[in-house]
Amino acid sequence: AQKITQTQPGMFVQEKEAVTLDCTYDTSDPSYGLFWYKQPSSGEMIFLIYQGSYDQQNATEGRYSLNFQKARKSANLVISASQLGDSAMYFCAMTYNNAGNMLTFGGGTRLMVKP
Amino acid sequence: GAGVSQSPSNKVTEKGKDVELRCDPISGHTALYWYRQRLGQGLEFLIYFQGNSAPDKSGLPSDRFSAERTGESVSTLTIQRTQQEDSAVYLCASSLNPGFYGELFFGEGSRLTVL
Repeated sequence: AQKITQTQPGMFVQEKEAVTLDCTYDTSDPSYGLFWYKQPSSGEMIFLIYQGSYDQQNATEGRYSLNFQKARKSANLVISASQLGDSAMYFCAMTYNNAGNMLTFGGGTRLMVKP
Repeated sequence: GAGVSQSPSNKVTEKGKDVELRCDPISGHTALYWYRQRLGQGLEFLIYFQGNSAPDKSGLPSDRFSAERTGESVSTLTIQRTQQEDSAVYLCASSLNPGFYGELFFGEGSRLTVL
């Protein structure tokens, strides 16, 4: 069975600093995709970044980058230059081959950015 | 509208009543997903539609839950004889392609409270 683990239920970061949100996963399927979503207090899930299991380079999208360490089965999200608007829940998720794009989600990390 | 639309945004019901939750996906998106999010938790997969058929119903928690999709568009999630443990936010998502790398676009959810 596929499993996603986020070990940090809550984190604080000072505005303008970088922060790393941890995510580890477990799968026996060699072909999978890893996602990060942001959920602000409004409740909507906002796609941030995607990493494929065969991608050689770490994914980057603006201030977001994914630190993909395949051997360790980790896919940590790095947010650079934190902003107050980054305060939200962050979910790591995974899909795997033949899953019909079904996402399996971790339990989430609540990030709070301090001014 | 341009995004995934869900209604009602909030629903309060009495234990034992039936409820219907509606999802309007992004036009042209063939894949549609329902997830449940209990307070402070991650997302639980419920059901996935490809067109009007549901190849994966594995996440439906009991036979009180059912879903249908018509015209490759609107989907309805029905919960019969609601219980207090059904209280959650029900999120709908759609995707242009059901394949591996397709990004999911989420609605803002329907918050269900069962008294």
